[in-house]
Amino acid sequence: SQQGEEDPQALSIQEGENATMNCSYKTSINNLQWYRQNSGRGLVHLILIRSNEREKHSGRLRVTLDTSKKSSSLLITASRAADTASYFCATDARGGSEKLVFGKGTKLTVNP
Amino acid sequence: EAGVAQSPRYKIIEKRQSVAFWCNPISGHATLYWYQQILGQGPKLLIQFQNNGVVDDSQLPKDRFSAERLKGVDSTLKIQPAKLEDSAVYLCASSLLGTGDEKLFFGSGTQLSVL
Repeated sequence: SQQGEEDPQALSIQEGENATMNCSYKTSINNLQWYRQNSGRGLVHLILIRSNEREKHSGRLRVTLDTSKKSSSLLITASRAADTASYFCATDARGGSEKLVFGKGTKLTVNP
Repeated sequence: EAGVAQSPRYKIIEKRQSVAFWCNPISGHATLYWYQQILGQGPKLLIQFQNNGVVDDSQLPKDRFSAERLKGVDSTLKIQPAKLEDSAVYLCASSLLGTGDEKLFFGSGTQLSVL
């Protein structure tokens, strides 16, 4: 079963705009990670946020975590055409076997 | 640093045939994962190894799928016999789980088409 659910399923924006993707999950977690997947390629790790953190930044990426609402958001600022990809959240359930469970992803298209 | 290596890149077989995928993780990574990704969905964990021991194989269809990680390094995933619904990308990943660094490094995957 999939723990995380990303929203929206698809997002299309213009270059230079900001893109926000959301992830909701069901059980308590140790950490939440975001990954990116270009078409036909493997996933690439973007950022990890632990359950005791509320916000984290990495370059043009900003991730927030609200454990009371069991949700996270990924913000990509000043998007570029090269950001076109699918973005997945993945959660590591607390008290589980430390396996990482992925959501269904948000497909982001950045138009030049 | 070399990444996670997988082969083959593509495989086309007929249903009821068998197929095997190979993965070489990043050197020093004790944890190895096999994920199945069906088109339009997120990756689903099939099996997780810690060194050469199985940590989680709860979603592995054991009547037709098998995996091994001999000597705690390379791993192979086998499907026998294949069904149409096994058409997917099979992703291998490795990590330093347990060291405080939980991020996964993925290979490029093997795209399997079962006809």
